[in-house]
Amino acid sequence: SQTIHQWPATLVQPVGSPLSLECTVEGTSNPNLYWYRQAAGRGLQLLFYSVGIGQISSEVPQNLSASRPQDRQFILSSKKLLLSDSGFYLCAWSVGQVHTGELFFGEGSRLTVL
Amino acid sequence: GQNIDQPTEMTATEGAIVQINCTYQTSGFNGLFWYQQHAGEAPTFLSYNVLDGLEEKGRFSSFLSRSKGYSYLLLKELQMKDSASYLCAVLDSNYQLIWGAGTKLIIKP
Repeated sequence: SQTIHQWPATLVQPVGSPLSLECTVEGTSNPNLYWYRQAAGRGLQLLFYSVGIGQISSEVPQNLSASRPQDRQFILSSKKLLLSDSGFYLCAWSVGQVHTGELFFGEGSRLTVL
Repeated sequence: GQNIDQPTEMTATEGAIVQINCTYQTSGFNGLFWYQQHAGEAPTFLSYNVLDGLEEKGRFSSFLSRSKGYSYLLLKELQMKDSASYLCAVLDSNYQLIWGAGTKLIIKP
């Protein structure tokens, strides 16, 4: 069966520090991968999505970046965190394109920037 | 702009029925999703509607009217474990998912 795992689950970082969140998927090949951010009282915001290794599409210009070094690995990074980067980050995968199926989410990573 | 509206919070009693509404204004429509999200956890898929009408899945049903830009999620025989946020999302003409802010459902004994 397919599983998705992301880490760390929680982290508290000072402003200006770097960030690295990692997500891996098992049990499927060539998934579409997504990074979302969920702020309190707001809908899920798509940050990045990837249809293959090295292929990253950015939806929102910001100080975050994403990379996909392997087929089933997706990494969210920042060189210098801002206070506004605080939130709940979710990695997700789908088979083919999202409109042909559902999104499967990782456990989430709660980031607090102080 | 694109917009998904759903109530912020609802309260219902264990064993009762509750209907969570979602209205949308999007550039095109390629389907509507409902997800359940327990506090501090990731969303999980509940339903997908692309044609008008009612889709039933156990205690949960989802209805869609494309002409009205309207959907609802109906939860029957409510259980305490149904306390969660319910997210409505629409797939627009560019196959991008537009998400509502979610409805927090509180179940009281």
